Amino acid sequence: NAGVTQTPKFQVLKTGQSMTLQCAQDMNHNSMYWYRQDPGMGLRLIYYSASEGTTDKGEVPNGYNVSRLNKREFSLRLESAAPSQTSVYFCASSRMQGPGELFFGEGSRLTVL
Amino acid sequence: DQQVKQNSPSLSVQEGRISILNCDYTNSMFDYFLWYKKYPAEGPTFLISISSIKDKNEDGRFTVFLNKSAKHLSLHIVPSQPGDSAVYFCAAGGNYGQNFVFGPGTRLSVLP
Repeated sequence: NAGVTQTPKFQVLKTGQSMTLQCAQDMNHNSMYWYRQDPGMGLRLIYYSASEGTTDKGEVPNGYNVSRLNKREFSLRLESAAPSQTSVYFCASSRMQGPGELFFGEGSRLTVL
Repeated sequence: DQQVKQNSPSLSVQEGRISILNCDYTNSMFDYFLWYKKYPAEGPTFLISISSIKDKNEDGRFTVFLNKSAKHLSLHIVPSQPGDSAVYFCAAGGNYGQNFVFGPGTRLSVLP
């Protein structure tokens, strides 16, 4: 029972490079989310997908794009990485948007030099 | 402006005593609240939740209290154990498709 799986766990990028963070869940959840965690800021929502085929911006979407590839997978892309995107990224899923528990992956630590 | 605040960045408690973690929110539309626990290098894990129709919810050593008029909730851990040492996040959301907003977290250290 893997739950929510994120790859890669660690990545170092140079400013201007691009990369994609992958996320997959095996709980048959409808909703998926990408958060970033920065010191003193808690978890801030970047993008979410309430259901397969839909994506919407969260609190801090600038510099990111997402793709809900299918019900299981939700990827986050940085087209031109900036040092301000140095952070720990968490993917999460839930049965549906609204009340109820979020299940998180282990996180991906990204450093942009 | 943060909609969910946890004003104590850190808290130290002796093993066996009570830990009280506090959370305040500003948006009166929030009506569902969760606490998450996070160990280093791991993702947050769900601890306990409460809906606005209740003012208390218990699960073993963990109790969450909600004071809607004060827009305040608290998590009580009794008795505290060294394994409870972690960062605790409060999150608030709504019953109508609102996404959850997280507080900045409180680092709890339970001393043996």
